[in-house]
Amino acid sequence: DIVMTQSPDSLAVSLGERATINCKSSQSVLYNSNNKNYLAWYQQKPGQPPKLLIYWASTRESGVPDRFSGGGSGTDFTLTISSLQAADVGVYFCQHYYGTPRTFGQGTKVEIK
Amino acid sequence: QVQLQESGPGLVKPSQTLSLTCTVSGGSISGGSYYWSWIRQPAGKELEWIGRVHTTGSSNYNPSLKSRVTISIDTSKNQFSLDLTSVTAADTAVYYCARESAVTTLDCWGQGTLVTVSS
Repeated sequence: DIVMTQSPDSLAVSLGERATINCKSSQSVLYNSNNKNYLAWYQQKPGQPPKLLIYWASTRESGVPDRFSGGGSGTDFTLTISSLQAADVGVYFCQHYYGTPRTFGQGTKVEIK
Repeated sequence: QVQLQESGPGLVKPSQTLSLTCTVSGGSISGGSYYWSWIRQPAGKELEWIGRVHTTGSSNYNPSLKSRVTISIDTSKNQFSLDLTSVTAADTAVYYCARESAVTTLDCWGQGTLVTVSS
């Protein structure tokens, strides 16, 4: 199985400041045939299901604010919130979809400083 | 707008079978090339992918659960289901159903249902 490891486990950022979350996969999730990274990011708020933010490592899902951006390739990825808003508080997960089983990172809790 | 809703018992006794159903509304479960998936999340822990079924009936399971899991689909009812046998307290979790596409992966989720395994 591909192991997904996120860092940090938690992050406190002031409103309007940048938040950056890292995700590392134990093997590459880049498909050479289409040059796509099969990596997604989700946001989860208490009592709610995860919400897809980013797929293919850097493509924002429809309706997701442009302050969310994804980057990276191969085994190392980042999710950046360029200007943290109160509504962004929650837990963020990365997930690969390069074959099965799909696996998730352990989550990064984002709070307001 | 497709919506998914899980249903089933909230309490299951140890050694019994956990059975959940996911009802898809707002679209046909057979429309488009989607997989229909189950994911679970123990309280305060990370998400665990259980498996998925395609509208053709083909399925994939997490090897860690494969011996105990069956995911099936009923296109006439616009539903898919999860059976997990021989449950223990370690199977206590919120269970989510979700739609998966090859491009956007898990792009639509149910609200989740808490299943507790206890005598």
